[in-house]
Amino acid sequence: RKEVEQDPGPFNVPEGATVAFNCTYSNSASQSFFWYRQDCRKEPKLLMSVYSSGNEDGRFTAQLNRASQYISLLIRDSKLSDSATYLCVVNPFSGGYQKVTFGIGTKLQVIP
Amino acid sequence: NAGVTQTPKFRILKIGQSMTLQCTQDMNHNYMYWYRQDPGMGLKLIYYSVGAGITDKGEVPNGYNVSRSTTEDFPLRLELAAPSQTSVYFCASSYSRGGQPQHFGDGTRLSIL
Repeated sequence: RKEVEQDPGPFNVPEGATVAFNCTYSNSASQSFFWYRQDCRKEPKLLMSVYSSGNEDGRFTAQLNRASQYISLLIRDSKLSDSATYLCVVNPFSGGYQKVTFGIGTKLQVIP
Repeated sequence: NAGVTQTPKFRILKIGQSMTLQCTQDMNHNYMYWYRQDPGMGLKLIYYSVGAGITDKGEVPNGYNVSRSTTEDFPLRLELAAPSQTSVYFCASSYSRGGQPQHFGDGTRLSIL
């Protein structure tokens, strides 16, 4: 099993739709989780951290399910500008160097 | 705020040439990283550093070298460039406290012809 797995997509959704991505991780000791957004040929940018209790930032909601070892990202009312690749990031943090693992990313295409 | 700055933005090299990709950060982060990303692929860690004077290999270090003489700078050296090193290179940094996200530079697009 890969350390971090994402469905590469693409997810093609109409404007205004709600879309959700999942990301599964294999290391049960993982401590922190993030979602990044990467536009074509640009650098990854931090979208949001994922907290144990779940968290929301505008149209974006991130959740963590430790029992099933996955995190999710929900995007409501999709905009054309949401078209990008969404990377999940898992950080085991054991007190020293953080062996951070990036998922391959899920590509989202929002269609007019 | 400058954040993580990479230079150059673009470069074309001939096979066998050498060059240094520069990376500097002004956030006083202890941890710094170099990644490469090939078209349609995920990020692959080349080298990382947990502080000045300390570097270690990632998953794809062959053909590259790094140094970390200061907290701010983490240059990546390509020796004897090969076509397989054509890629986009990203530098990133983060705090050493647990669970902190990485911040990326805007990349260097390198072509080896």
